Order: sequence, then structure tokens, then C-alpha cells
Amino acid sequence: AQSVTQLGSHVSVSEGALVLLRCNYSSSVPPYLFWYVQYPNQGLQLLLKYTSAATLVKGINGFEAEFKKSETSFHLTKPSAHMSDAAEYFCAVSEGGGNQFYFGTGTSLTVIP
Amino acid sequence: GAVVSQHPSWVICKSGTSVKIECRSLDFQATTMFWYRQFPKQSLMLMATSNEGSKATYEQGVEKDKFLINHASLTLSTLTVTSAHPEDSSFYICSAQKGGGIGDTQYFGPGTRLTVL
Repeated sequence: AQSVTQLGSHVSVSEGALVLLRCNYSSSVPPYLFWYVQYPNQGLQLLLKYTSAATLVKGINGFEAEFKKSETSFHLTKPSAHMSDAAEYFCAVSEGGGNQFYFGTGTSLTVIP
Repeated sequence: GAVVSQHPSWVICKSGTSVKIECRSLDFQATTMFWYRQFPKQSLMLMATSNEGSKATYEQGVEKDKFLINHASLTLSTLTVTSAHPEDSSFYICSAQKGGGIGDTQYFGPGTRLTVL
């Protein structure tokens, strides 16, 4: 069975500071991992995804994530936060046996000017 | 691109009535569509998986007779909340997959906010 844990339901960073959003997964087989962003009252927008190719995945808006099998992690980072990055971020996992996604509980990112 | 639309974006209805929500993939054919429910400040909970031309697969605890799903074509899936009650008030989001394979990206609609009075 697969599950996703996002540590820290709320993260605050200063504008220009490093953004680090944590995601750990549990999966019995190599997973497919995704990060989505959700702005208020909107659907989810794909930031990036890992599908067993390069372990460092670059996404839109300057975000990237690194797949670390030994740590079962897929943390999302951005070198310099922008005010427009304030949103809810969800990590999701999909694995063999089905095409469903299972989402973490989300991390709300606040960017302080 | 891969655009998914939902209609309506916001609906208010009286208790006991039924509400239909449409999910359309605008520029691609979606073999599989998914319906999620999201409560305020919470994550998305998968309600059901919908494959074109076949019956939807519901997640445990989701009442299939209350949440009717029809995937009539490769670009349209509908969710009907029957005999809605205030506890059904929520944000409903659909997603669509271009392929049906494991790991295929899901593209999400903008969501429909349902308020049942």
C-alpha cells in the first residue's frame, strides 16, 4: 500500500529565501511521484513529476524536487521564494497496480515580504 | 496543453435536490477521469475512478447511489449528487488522464464548490 506524508502543514519563508517542502512516501514498488500547487478556490496545477528517469526533476516556476530512494523522500525546493508562490502544495504518489493518485495532506506556503 | 474544465464552478441548491457537475477534457481524450472531494484546508480525497464506457469504481465509503458518475465519452464525465444534504457541501474536483497507464499525469479541473442549504 502506498501513502504520502507531508511534514509541516504550514511553512513560512521570507521573500527571496529558500523554499523547502517535505514529502515522504511509502511504497512497495518504485513509485511515480508528483507535486501539485493549488491556489485559492482553484484546481490543482502540476509542478513536476518523477517517473524513474533522472532523480532530480525540474518543474515550472523554478521549482525542483529530488527523488531519494534511500530516504523515501521527494522534497520540493525553490532557491528564492516569490510572493506569487504563496499557495497550497500537494505531493502525490501513484504506483503499480493502479493509476490512482494518493495525496498528502498538503502544505500551505506563506511568503513574507 | 491539457485543459480540463468543470461546470458549474459554483452551485447552491436546496436540501433534497440533485446537482450535476460536468468535467470535460478540452484538448485531449481522457481514457480515465477521477473525482475528488476536498474539505476546507484538507487534502483531496479520491471518490471514484471513471473509465469511458464502463461503470465507475468507487472508493471505500463512497455511496455509489448518492454520487452517480457517468463517463459518456472520452471528453466528458459527470458527477450527480443525488438528494443532496448540507453535509455534501464541499469542493469537488475532477481530473483526467490522457493515457490509462500507471504514472500518467492527471490534469485537474478548476473545481466546483457545492453549497447545500
